[in-house]
Amino acid sequence: NAGVTQTPKFRILKIGQSMTLQCAQDMNHNYMYWYRQDPGMGLKLIYYSVGAGITDKGEVPNGYNVSRSTTEDFPLRLELAAPSQTSVYFCASSYSAGRESYGYTFGSGTRLTVV
Amino acid sequence: AQKVTQAQTEISVVEKEDVTLDCVYETRDTTYYLFWYKQPPSGELVFLIRRNSFDEQNEISGRYSWNFQKSTSSFNFTITASQVVDSAVYFCALSEAEIQGAQKLVFGQGTRLTINP
Repeated sequence: NAGVTQTPKFRILKIGQSMTLQCAQDMNHNYMYWYRQDPGMGLKLIYYSVGAGITDKGEVPNGYNVSRSTTEDFPLRLELAAPSQTSVYFCASSYSAGRESYGYTFGSGTRLTVV
Repeated sequence: AQKVTQAQTEISVVEKEDVTLDCVYETRDTTYYLFWYKQPPSGELVFLIRRNSFDEQNEISGRYSWNFQKSTSSFNFTITASQVVDSAVYFCALSEAEIQGAQKLVFGQGTRLTINP
């Protein structure tokens, strides 16, 4: 059972380039999330999804796009990379049981540097 | 709006000392969840505890204990008899009542704990 898998682990982008950060979970969790962690800071929510085809913005969505075509995958797209997007990106998932949410699981992170 | 404050940026103690990490939160909801995560130097996030706002009982797990006080909006974390392996950044986080079940976490800035041999 792999949990939440993020690829790549490291990436260097040039300003203006685009890339997709991949996130996959094999726990059949319905909720998925993307966070970013800037140096010396806590995590901030970029986007989240409550199920396939449904996504919504978090606290810091500008410069990013997401899609959720399947329950398992939740890719994060950077269209025009900027130095301000240099960060560590974490994907996470959780599931619901009744009105409660459980099993909050984070991936190991993607360290992105924009130069 | 939600906010989590971890006023201690860095703490350094000698092994076997007890250490308490402070967490103060702000929320308008009556139903919310509080979390603690550990981030070791390797960078992954390790879940430590989740507590809902209706459960004010303190919890102990081995050398770890948590003190939840709604009256002061605090959820402090104590490590007893600290060990070098406890060295990490510790994050406190808050989630308000879920929207469609999604749990959006708001994190504090973290406390870097160094345990010296």
